[in-house]
Amino acid sequence: GAGVSQTPSNKVTEKGKYVELRCDPISGHTALYWYRQSLGQGPEFLIYFQGTGAADDSGLPNDRFFAVRPEGSVSTLKIQRTERGDSAVYLCASSLDYGTDTQYFGPGTRLTVL
Amino acid sequence: AQSVAQPEDQVNVAEGNPLTVKCTYSVSGNPYLFWYVQYPNRGLQFLLKYITGDNLVKGSYGFEAEFNKSQTSFHLKKPSALVSDSALYFCAVRDRAGNTGKLIFGQGTTLQVKP
Repeated sequence: GAGVSQTPSNKVTEKGKYVELRCDPISGHTALYWYRQSLGQGPEFLIYFQGTGAADDSGLPNDRFFAVRPEGSVSTLKIQRTERGDSAVYLCASSLDYGTDTQYFGPGTRLTVL
Repeated sequence: AQSVAQPEDQVNVAEGNPLTVKCTYSVSGNPYLFWYVQYPNRGLQFLLKYITGDNLVKGSYGFEAEFNKSQTSFHLKKPSALVSDSALYFCAVRDRAGNTGKLIFGQGTTLQVKP
């Protein structure tokens, strides 16, 4: 079956601009996660959705970052007033539920802020 | 605070030899433990997980890992390495407590298998 998909695969923007990154989870998965992976580092947790609600947003670095999942499926990560330090690969994952279920990752969106 | 340590940045092994990629963790309670592999310009692929039960977990592509509670370790192993196993490996932990599936990842270990 189809895996987690993310669009765009690459995004280049200028400092100060607004960007949206999209994630389509595996069909039927209720839990959705966003992580950020900087060069040479492991993924860092940003936010977790259970259904439509953000159950844990403790990883969002500041109020420039926001994510939504209005219908409990597709999610959008929004970054306002981008900074060069936001450059990273943004990974999305989904799982059947949040408990012991395996998180399956998408290919990521590489964001470059010039 | 929860954390994961992968003490080796790189592991080099000859094809056909056994391999071990080390992982130690720190959590306040009992952990769920995971191994993922990342190939260049690809997302993370799940290899195996420890939830409960037998301390030796078998996963994809012939990999296995052993949960050792006393040493707080979850080392990844394979009896006979392949050149195609060369990739970046991540260990991750999730605390059983709390209403979140948040994974905490290690820094990653590059495995290089030489022919």
